[in-house]
Amino acid sequence: DTAVSQTPKYLVTQMGNDKSIKCEQNLGHDTMYWYKQDSKKFLKIMFSYNNKELIINETVPNRFSPKSPDKAHLNLHINSLELGDSAVYFCASRNRDDYGYTFGSGTRLTVV
Amino acid sequence: GNSVTQMEGPVTLSEEAFLTINCTYTATGYPSLFWYVQYPGEGLQLLLKATKADDKGSNKGFEATYRKETTSFHLEKGSVQVSDSAVYFCALSASGGYNKLIFGAGTRLAVHP
Repeated sequence: DTAVSQTPKYLVTQMGNDKSIKCEQNLGHDTMYWYKQDSKKFLKIMFSYNNKELIINETVPNRFSPKSPDKAHLNLHINSLELGDSAVYFCASRNRDDYGYTFGSGTRLTVV
Repeated sequence: GNSVTQMEGPVTLSEEAFLTINCTYTATGYPSLFWYVQYPGEGLQLLLKATKADDKGSNKGFEATYRKETTSFHLEKGSVQVSDSAVYFCALSASGGYNKLIFGAGTRLAVHP
C-alpha cells in the first residue's frame, strides 16, 4: 500500500527520557513534515524537510531534533521529555506538483 | 501572518440535517484552501480542496467554494449521516511559506440518529 507510515502508534514514557518517532513514505514525495496536535486538537507545524534539507523550523525547543536520512524518511528525536510534550505527532508528505498533503495515522506520545 | 478561523464546535445535528461549518482565512497572495477530516482515533484525511478563487471542491457529498471577496471557504453537506461524525479542519497553504499547511482549530461534528 502506498502511504505515510509512522511508528510507534503509541508511546508511553517517563519524564526525562529520550525517544524517537519514525516516519516513512513510499509515495515518492519531495517534502515531509512533522505536525503536533495538542489535547484540544489544535494542529501546528513543527518541521519540514525538502529532499533531506531542513526548510521549516517553527520555534520548537531544541530538545526536538528531526533527521532525514533520505527523502523517504523523516524521523523525530526528542530529548529530555517533559509532561507538556504529550500530544499526537503527525508525519505528512507532499508532492511539489500537488497541493494536498498525505498524513500518517499519528503517534500518541504520553509522558508520565 | 496567515491564519484560519473556523466556527467553534461541537456542532450537533440529527441525521439528514443540513450542515454548514464556517471557515474564513487571512493570507497574503492566493492560498490554496482545504478541508481535512479526522475520524475518532485516526489521522487526517483530505476531504476536498480548491486552489483558486470561485473553485468548488466536492467529495462524499461535501462541498466548499473558494470565495476571495469574503475570504471564506465554508463547508456544506445537504444531508449528514451518523458516519460523518468527526472533527473537521479548514486549512490553507500559501506558496510563500514553503507550502506549509496552516490549520484552523477544528470543529467537532456529532450526528445523532
